[in-house]
Amino acid sequence: AQSVTQLDSQVPVFEEAPVELRCNYSSSVSVYLFWYVQYPNQGLQLLLKYLSGSTLVKGINGFEAEFNKSQTSFHLRKPSVHISDTAEYFCAVTNDRGSTLGRLYFGRGTQLTVWP
Amino acid sequence: NAGVTQTPKFQVLKTGQSMTLQCAQDMNHEYMSWYRQDPGMGLRLIHYSVGAGITDQGEVPNGYNVSRSTTEDFPLRLLSAAPSQTSVYFCASSHRGQEPGNTIYFGEGSWLTVV
Repeated sequence: AQSVTQLDSQVPVFEEAPVELRCNYSSSVSVYLFWYVQYPNQGLQLLLKYLSGSTLVKGINGFEAEFNKSQTSFHLRKPSVHISDTAEYFCAVTNDRGSTLGRLYFGRGTQLTVWP
Repeated sequence: NAGVTQTPKFQVLKTGQSMTLQCAQDMNHEYMSWYRQDPGMGLRLIHYSVGAGITDQGEVPNGYNVSRSTTEDFPLRLLSAAPSQTSVYFCASSHRGQEPGNTIYFGEGSWLTVV
């Protein structure tokens, strides 16, 4: 079985400050990891994904995440946030083969609020 | 290129009514799935399909039926709506191909209220 824990339900930060959104997963097999962003009343947009290779993954909008197998973590970071980054962020995992990616297990989400 | 299209976007139902949420994709994706999103719960998988004629249950399948008669369509049926099914529903699709590079595409969501 797989599960995802997002350790913070809400993260408030000031504009131009760095931010880290934490994600831990549990799985007994190899996993593939994702971060999605959801703006108010909108669908999900893929920020970045880890399938294999380099453990540091760069995504859109200046976000990056690091896969740490020993700590079973996939934390999302941005060195300097903007007000437009205010949104809900979801970490997700699957251990389906990369060629399937049909089923995702999501964390409960982290609401990032950026203040001026 | 429409991607994943869900209809309706908003719906209010009375308890006990039935309805179908439609999902269509024009990318010839083999894999399709339905999720529900509830506050503080993230997205939870309801049902998924790995191809036409093949469906399986996800984490929270009770109260929902699906079928996959074509590659393009994956409707979600609520047979007798309950207030606990008030939620936002997302349909998703993905292609069976070589990794890396596969991406799951999500529809824009369907807001369902059961009163």
